[in-house]
Amino acid sequence: NAGVTQTPKFQVLKTGQSMTLQCAQDMNHEYMSWYRQDPGMGLRLIHYSVGAGITDQGEVPNGYNVSRSTTEDFPLRLLSAAPSQTSVYFCASSRGYEAFFGQGTRLTVV
Amino acid sequence: GIQVEQSPPDLILQEGANSTLRCNFSDSVNNLQWFHQNPWGQLINLFYIPSGTKQNGRLSATTVATERYSLLYISSSQTTDSGVYFCAVEPFRGSQGNLIFGKGTKLSVKP
Repeated sequence: NAGVTQTPKFQVLKTGQSMTLQCAQDMNHEYMSWYRQDPGMGLRLIHYSVGAGITDQGEVPNGYNVSRSTTEDFPLRLLSAAPSQTSVYFCASSRGYEAFFGQGTRLTVV
Repeated sequence: GIQVEQSPPDLILQEGANSTLRCNFSDSVNNLQWFHQNPWGQLINLFYIPSGTKQNGRLSATTVATERYSLLYISSSQTTDSGVYFCAVEPFRGSQGNLIFGKGTKLSVKP
């Protein structure tokens, strides 16, 4: 039982490049979400999903897209990376009670 | 939206000391969790505690939902307790499964 798995763990992008951060969970959780963590800011919600085919925006959605075609997977797409998107990204899943987090992806945009 | 405030922002302890971390929130919540972020960045679930008191070894937590605060107690601290402790809440009027985080308490335990 792997829990929440994020890939990659580290990534360096050039400004303007695109990429997808992968998130998968094997707990059959309905709810999945993406957060970013910046120094001194705690974690802030980017996008979330309440089930396959249903997504919505969180507090800081600009520059990111998501989709949820299956219960297990919730990828986060950066369309055109900017230095302001340098951050640590966490994916989480839950059934509406206790949330479980992946190990994070450290992204640097140069 | 709901505000989540944690105090103190920084805490330095000698090994073996006890401490209390506080989380205040400005509106009703469905869910409250405490996390420990270790020096490698991993978020570790400590407690799911929307109300009441729970204990797990040297750690315990109490949430008084009617007064909108939660406390995390660490007894006989060890160097491995170092890291950042986050409180996160799911607002009563928000979407299920989504958490609003405080800015954390950074704990350093010295040997």
